[in-house]
Amino acid sequence: DIVMTQSPDSLAVSLGERATINCKSSQSVLYSSNNKKYLAWYQQKPGQPPKLLIYWASTRESGVPDRFSGSGSGTDFTLTISSLQAEDVAVYYCQQYYSNPITFGQGTRLEIK
Amino acid sequence: QVHLVQSGPEVKKPGASVKVSCKASGYSFTTYGISWVRQAPGQGLEWMGWISVYNGNTKYAQKLQGRVTMTTDTSTSTAYMELRSLISDDTAMYYCARSEAFHDFWGQGTLVTVSS
Repeated sequence: DIVMTQSPDSLAVSLGERATINCKSSQSVLYSSNNKKYLAWYQQKPGQPPKLLIYWASTRESGVPDRFSGSGSGTDFTLTISSLQAEDVAVYYCQQYYSNPITFGQGTRLEIK
Repeated sequence: QVHLVQSGPEVKKPGASVKVSCKASGYSFTTYGISWVRQAPGQGLEWMGWISVYNGNTKYAQKLQGRVTMTTDTSTSTAYMELRSLISDDTAMYYCARSEAFHDFWGQGTLVTVSS
């Protein structure tokens, strides 16, 4: 199984400041035949299901604000929120869909400082 | 617009079975697969498996093999997840999600509580 490890486990950032969440996979999730990285990011607010933010490591889902961006290589990925808003308080998960079983990171709790 | 609407909360005794439904609307049901993901109280997300609505092929998490069955009914655009021989560790929120790779739309969740 591919193990996904996020850092940090929790993060407190001031409003308007940048928030950065890291995700490392135990093996590459880059599929060489199509050069796609099989990595997604989700946001989960209390009492709600997860919401897709980013797929293919860097493609923003429709309707997601452009302050959210994703980047990374075959094993190391980053979710960046360029200017934190109050509504961004949530738990963020990375997910690999390169191989079964699909696996998620343990989650990063983002709060306002 | 795409909606996935799940069945209501369930309370089951250890050893029993539960079957959760997920009714899809707003898209061609057979074009996408359905994944099931669960989340124990205060914990992270655990992928349970996936079913191709097109041909019924399934892929299950190894730890649930033999206890879980995923099915679909294309006449009603509904997916089902049955979990048998329930134990207390199966207490969780269960989500369905539209999925061919990543999960772009999610149901609201179904709370399954296993308690004697």
